[in-house]
Amino acid sequence: DAMVIQNPRYQVTQFGKPVTLSCSQTLNHNVMYWYQQKSSQAPKLLFHYYDKDFNNEADTPDNFQSRRPNTSFCFLDIRSPGLGDAAMYLCATSRDPGSEQFFGPGTRLTVL
Amino acid sequence: AQKVTQAQTEISVVEKEDVTLDCVYETRDTTYYLFWYKQPPSGELVFLIRRNSFDEQNEISGRYSWNFQKSTSSFNFTITASQVVDSAVYFCALSGTSGYSTLTFGKGTMLLVSP
Repeated sequence: DAMVIQNPRYQVTQFGKPVTLSCSQTLNHNVMYWYQQKSSQAPKLLFHYYDKDFNNEADTPDNFQSRRPNTSFCFLDIRSPGLGDAAMYLCATSRDPGSEQFFGPGTRLTVL
Repeated sequence: AQKVTQAQTEISVVEKEDVTLDCVYETRDTTYYLFWYKQPPSGELVFLIRRNSFDEQNEISGRYSWNFQKSTSSFNFTITASQVVDSAVYFCALSGTSGYSTLTFGKGTMLLVSP
């Protein structure tokens, strides 16, 4: 029944060591989003894909990259994680922009 | 620019009390969507409702109801007879309707329902 799946649920990495977070969906939605959420804050959009069209938020650091090889999968790559990148990373999908977004359970990233 | 304000940072109630979570928004768009999401302690954001800007009918779903007032740019959420399982952070959000619209979230209201 899971619709938006994120792996792993918990990820520990070392300062500066690249890490990849994974998201997959069974909804066949056109849009996939990556958010960063820090404690007691609202989710912050990093970027999104509308089909194959990549849209980066203006204030997303270059350290964050994304790939969407097909409709079902989307990856978040953090090239050189810093201590400030420790957060919950949420993936979401929607049928179209403006439609309700369905969120995955998140990946909690710890940077040592 | 779009903005969503949830002035209540934290609300504490006792079970069975009614509680209203406030949401005020700003947008220059003539058409837009408003949303509420629930984030329980487990962390996953759960979609509750989407309201189109030209539909000002209030909505009721079980113990949940939403009051959309375009004149005051508000989209308030009421939980009737609250339960402990309602304890969560609730986010109000706003989106445009154009092809590359994204969600603008409020800062969230933490609701704590005690037995």
